[in-house]
Amino acid sequence: GAVVSQHPSRVICKSGTSVKIECRSLDFQATTMFWYRQFPKQSLMLMATSNEGSKATYEQGVEKDKFLINHASLTLSTLTVTSAHPEDSSFYICSAPTGSIGDTQYFGPGTRLTVL
Amino acid sequence: QQPVQSPQAVILREGEDAVINCSSSKALYSVHWYRQKHGEAPVFLMILLKGGEQKGHEKISASFNEKKQQSSLYLTASQLSYSGTYFCGTAGGTSYGKLTFGQGTILTVHP
Repeated sequence: GAVVSQHPSRVICKSGTSVKIECRSLDFQATTMFWYRQFPKQSLMLMATSNEGSKATYEQGVEKDKFLINHASLTLSTLTVTSAHPEDSSFYICSAPTGSIGDTQYFGPGTRLTVL
Repeated sequence: QQPVQSPQAVILREGEDAVINCSSSKALYSVHWYRQKHGEAPVFLMILLKGGEQKGHEKISASFNEKKQQSSLYLTASQLSYSGTYFCGTAGGTSYGKLTFGQGTILTVHP
């Protein structure tokens, strides 16, 4: 299947700092990528849709000024958690549709964020 | 709205079969099935498009009934490696790839 990478895989930061997470599609181009957040023992919750060349679309209840998304190229989207707080600690996962029929989506390996 | 999965959890012995259901209150264009192991990202299993098709992947297959807005995942002759949390993700016709995930079904296979 298609490959999506994420970096870093784990990050620990102090409260009030900003953290950037990168999502790359390695063997295909993705004009759209999706960012999810998953708390322990819960489902995946869509945060936002990252669009190459235009602004991201945020889901209801997600603060766009706190979770900055930039889709810099057809293979790279970044999520920046600004002024992180302990309640932002979570598993952040990106996905990218391959553009095939039905838009099969592949997930990156995820980033475990811990805010102290 | 989030699709509803059932059962919430199932425990099997190796070689036994299981069925996981996913039901939506909205019209669906596609249903995507994933398996997630603890601490890892979800892994794609299969996608079903409207049309009532059934697909298979080794001993794992799935069906999609668009009229009932339901999909079922069938795991036959389960193996230890099947353990994990299974999620269905649903998409409507105009969602452009946006998936809404069910709450997950925890599958545990014992020797």
